[in-house]
Amino acid sequence: DAGITQSPRHKVTETGTPVTLRCHQTENHRYMYWYRQDPGHGLRLIHYSYGVKDTDKGEVSDGYSVSRSKTEDFLLTLESATSSQTSVYFCAISGAGANQPQHFGDGTRLSIL
Amino acid sequence: GQQVMQIPQYQHVQEGEDFTTYCNSSTTLSNIQWYKQRPGGHPVFLIQLVKSGEVKKQKRLTFQFGEAKKNSSLHITATQTTDVGTYFCAGHGAAGNKLTFGGGTRVLVKP
Repeated sequence: DAGITQSPRHKVTETGTPVTLRCHQTENHRYMYWYRQDPGHGLRLIHYSYGVKDTDKGEVSDGYSVSRSKTEDFLLTLESATSSQTSVYFCAISGAGANQPQHFGDGTRLSIL
Repeated sequence: GQQVMQIPQYQHVQEGEDFTTYCNSSTTLSNIQWYKQRPGGHPVFLIQLVKSGEVKKQKRLTFQFGEAKKNSSLHITATQTTDVGTYFCAGHGAAGNKLTFGGGTRVLVKP
């Protein structure tokens, strides 16, 4: 498996609190992605990064922000968590081109009460 | 925006039987990728198809990319219990920098 570590693996928090999820890679890949997975919706792209400090929105970016200050780290922040953001969050990386296969981390299960 | 649909959403298969899952895009794709996610796991890349009409095989799995590059299929022969999981198709549009996933086909195998 590709060297991708997501932290934390599980988190329970309350509505209105800020939450930051971390994705760390050891592959030196240029592209990094954040997805959420919900029953019946497959995987939906939240944000992605194509280089240090270069990010763009996906299809479900409202309520989320990201930062990438180093090649190896991609952070996803929920500024004020809502119950609708309860989900499983996956980070993925891909190599030389944006249309290359993606390799996923083990996911973070986030519950917002 | 680009939409990718998969059918069926669920597939109950008797061990040893064959089945097919289908993937349809609202727009022409530059490629199609297939992933498998075991229960409780993360998606794992299986294969990528790029050319119109392309067919690729991996042991008992056969993947096809449609002539118009808007649809794809995955056919599994002689299903085994190890095939349990959710199979996702995903495609890149013309811009190539965002991968759109279908909703997945969850496969359950009856021994």
